[in-house]
Amino acid sequence: AQSVAQPEDQVNVAEGNPLTVKCTYSVSGNPYLFWYVQYPNRGLQFLLKYITGDNLVKGSYGFEAEFNKSQTSFHLKKPSALVSDSALYFCAVPSSSNTGKLIFGQGTTLQVKP
Amino acid sequence: EAGVAQSPRYKIIEKRQSVAFWCNPISGHATLYWYQQILGQGPKLLIQFQNNGVVDDSQLPKDRFSAERLKGVDSTLKIQPAKLEDSAVYLCASSFSPGGEKLFFGSGTQLSVL
Repeated sequence: AQSVAQPEDQVNVAEGNPLTVKCTYSVSGNPYLFWYVQYPNRGLQFLLKYITGDNLVKGSYGFEAEFNKSQTSFHLKKPSALVSDSALYFCAVPSSSNTGKLIFGQGTTLQVKP
Repeated sequence: EAGVAQSPRYKIIEKRQSVAFWCNPISGHATLYWYQQILGQGPKLLIQFQNNGVVDDSQLPKDRFSAERLKGVDSTLKIQPAKLEDSAVYLCASSFSPGGEKLFFGSGTQLSVL
């Protein structure tokens, strides 16, 4: 069964520093992988997705993610964090039996401090 | 472009009462999803519609939950009777088509069952 894991409940980083939010995956076949962000009292917003091709995927708000097949990872990164990046981040993968159904990780809270 | 609309924003009920949530997806989006997000967990798909037909309701507790999308546009999710463990945020999402497409989420309905 397809699954993703986010090993950190919370990541703390100072504004201006690079940030990484980790995600590992377990899939059969070629992986499609997504990152979504949830700001307080808001629904989830799409950040980026990996289908195939370049291992570095660029997304919204200056975020990017690095696909690493050997480590089965898809970590979210940003070179310089902003306080406004503070939010809940979810990694997701489509179900193998229903590609319209996303299976989400448990989420990682990113806290960016001034 | 208008986003996914959901109402109400918040709902507090007592256990064994009934409750209904409404969702209007983005115009032209054929696929509509209802996800349940319990505090501290990632969203979990309850039901997926393609136009007015059900594609996946494998994780919908059918003894108490029901959903419909009669005209292939807006949708209603109902819980009757509610249990304490139904306390969660109910997120509606839509996409132009299923399978690998990014989802557009509404702000959700936060349900508290007392």
